[in-house]
Amino acid sequence: QKEVEQDPGPLSVPEGAIVSLNCTYSNSAFQYFMWYRQYSRKGPELLMYTYSSGNKEDGRFTAQVDKSSKYISLFIRDSQPSDSATYLCAMSVTGTASKLTFGTGTRLQVTL
Amino acid sequence: DAGVTQSPTHLIKTRGQQVTLRCSPKSGHDTVSWYQQALGQGPQFIFQYYEEEERQRGNFPDRFSGHQFPNYSSELNVNALLLGDSALYLCASTRRRNTEAFFGQGTRLTVV
Repeated sequence: QKEVEQDPGPLSVPEGAIVSLNCTYSNSAFQYFMWYRQYSRKGPELLMYTYSSGNKEDGRFTAQVDKSSKYISLFIRDSQPSDSATYLCAMSVTGTASKLTFGTGTRLQVTL
Repeated sequence: DAGVTQSPTHLIKTRGQQVTLRCSPKSGHDTVSWYQQALGQGPQFIFQYYEEEERQRGNFPDRFSGHQFPNYSSELNVNALLLGDSALYLCASTRRRNTEAFFGQGTRLTVV
């Protein structure tokens, strides 16, 4: 069993829709939770990170962490075609600058 | 301000050969991590270098080795290449206690 599970998709939504992306994990020692966006042929870029449980909002993006359920989510409001990319969840025990354990990534396509 | 730069961008090698990949961290960063991303998978942590020493290592065989230079740049060496080593190799840099890992665009290695 993988430490981090993520549905690979692909997920196709119309422009303006609310997108929900999720990951589950098994290692209860994870304390830092991140979402990365990766465009084709590019390296991942950090969208948001959360320490421990709770919610965090940044513009159209909201990250949620439920440590009791070992479940994290990323919501994208008013999705745009430019949001089409692969979204990777990542987790770490000791910090966002330390070893990151990634999910497989969910491919998102936002259509006009 | 240049971000993380990796070279070469693409590489084709034959089984059994050796390869060296290079990474220059973002300006002001002193810590470099290497990840392997197989097609359709999330990045997997190989190792991290700080102060010219390997500080953390993932579950990779000794065929994978690295080096960090006094200017913080880094090399990843892979010996006795296998077909399964074909992947995108990503370099990420951070300041030791900074919160965000910046990724390069990666080196696409194909082993034939």
